[in-house]
Amino acid sequence: DIQMTQSPSTLSASVGDRVTITCRASQSIDIWLAWYQQKPGKAPKLLIHKASNLESGVPSSFSGSGSGTEFTLTISSLQPDDFATYYCQQYSSYSWTFGPGTRVEIK
Amino acid sequence: QVQLVESGGGVVQPGRSLRLSCVASGFTFTNYAMHWVRQAPGKGLEWVAVIWYDGSNTYYADSVKGRFTISKHNSKSTLFLQMNNLRGEDTAVYYCARGRGAKGFEPKCFDLWGQGTLVTVSS
Repeated sequence: DIQMTQSPSTLSASVGDRVTITCRASQSIDIWLAWYQQKPGKAPKLLIHKASNLESGVPSSFSGSGSGTEFTLTISSLQPDDFATYYCQQYSSYSWTFGPGTRVEIK
Repeated sequence: QVQLVESGGGVVQPGRSLRLSCVASGFTFTNYAMHWVRQAPGKGLEWVAVIWYDGSNTYYADSVKGRFTISKHNSKSTLFLQMNNLRGEDTAVYYCARGRGAKGFEPKCFDLWGQGTLVTVSS
C-alpha cells in the first residue's frame, strides 16, 4: 500500500497568517491527491482534488500544488473558520490512504 | 437535498456482527461509487471499502478483508456494510462517502460524506 505522511503534525498560527502543510507519498501518485478539512465531531470536507483543483464552494484562500510524491496545501490568509485538522489522501490505486493529519490551532 | 445518512451503529461484543446502512438522497445513487471510511476515537481517517457504481466490483482494506462486506440496494438508494467477527480495533465512527464524479472505474476522491455512526466493540 502507498503510505502518506504529513508535516507538521500540529501548526500554531494566527488569523491572517499564511500557512503551508506538506504531504508526501511513499511512491509516485502523479496528481491523484486530495485535501480534506475536518472539524471536531464533523465529517471531513473535500477542499482540493487532483492536487490543485479547488472544489466548488471552497474559498480561494486555499490552494494546492505538487505532483509525484510531494504536495502542499496553502492557506493564504488564515481565517477563524480555518482552524481544523487537514488530511491528505491519495487515490492513485484501489487502496485509498490518508495522511495522519495536521491540526491547525490558534496561536 | 444532497445527503448521506448513516445508521446502525451501537455497542457490540467482540466476535459479534453488526450491519450499517447509509441512505442517499438528492442524487442518482446508481451513478456513483460508494465508500466506507472509519475514524477511531481521537485518530485519523482509514478507508474501509468501496463498491463500484454498478456493483460490479468491491475492494477492501486489509484490516477488514474477509470480515466485512460492502453492498448496495439501488432501488432503495442504500449502501450497507456487514461487519462480522468484530474486534476492539474496529471501534470507530463509520462514515459513508461518495466517489467524486459519476460512473467510471478509476479511483476517485470523496466529495460527499455522511455524518457518521459510532460503532463500539466492547465486552
